[in-house]
Amino acid sequence: ILNVEQSPQSLHVQEGDSTNFTCSFPSSNFYALHWYRWETAKSPEALFVMTLNGDEKKKGRISATLNTKEGYSYLYIKGSQPEDSATYLCAFEGRDDKIIFGKGTRLHILP
Amino acid sequence: DSGVTQTPKHLITATGQRVTLRCSPRSGDLSVYWYQQSLDQGLQFLIQYYNGEERAKGNILERFSAQQFPDLHSELNLSSLELGDSALYFCASSVTGYNEQFFGPGTRLTVL
Repeated sequence: ILNVEQSPQSLHVQEGDSTNFTCSFPSSNFYALHWYRWETAKSPEALFVMTLNGDEKKKGRISATLNTKEGYSYLYIKGSQPEDSATYLCAFEGRDDKIIFGKGTRLHILP
Repeated sequence: DSGVTQTPKHLITATGQRVTLRCSPRSGDLSVYWYQQSLDQGLQFLIQYYNGEERAKGNILERFSAQQFPDLHSELNLSSLELGDSALYFCASSVTGYNEQFFGPGTRLTVL
């Protein structure tokens, strides 16, 4: 059974601090790794789609790295702001087009 | 607003009934995905269509079926509903597979 694990499950960070969290996924049958930001009462919003080993992507204060050989991706947030409070989801997409989501990291930014 | 629309927003029905959820993808997107989010599980991938053809199946029950029409809108049919089918059903679309997906607002299904 393929599994996607995210850690930590929950995180409290002081406003202005930087933080990061992890997504672990199967290293076989890999095609793409997706990161989403999901605010309460809204729909998931795509942050990044990453396909190449060693890939690094950046969008404003948020960046992500990918290691397909060892099966992990990190998401970094620099200088956390209250609007960064959300659940961050990663999703593994295999060569068979099937998609498996992690359970997410719930980020709380403390003022 | 992602550009993906889903109807209805809420649906309340009884066990044993059948319902149809509808999704209109963003203009130009050929791929449509259906997901289920229930309280005890995270987001579960159900099925993907690409340009009218089924492309991948996830954890979709046999009681559930979907299709994508020539105008690219998609419908998810849920039959013989059980209490455990109560969930938030999302549709997402992308230009093709392996691209950024845009999620609709979801349909909340309650089975009583």
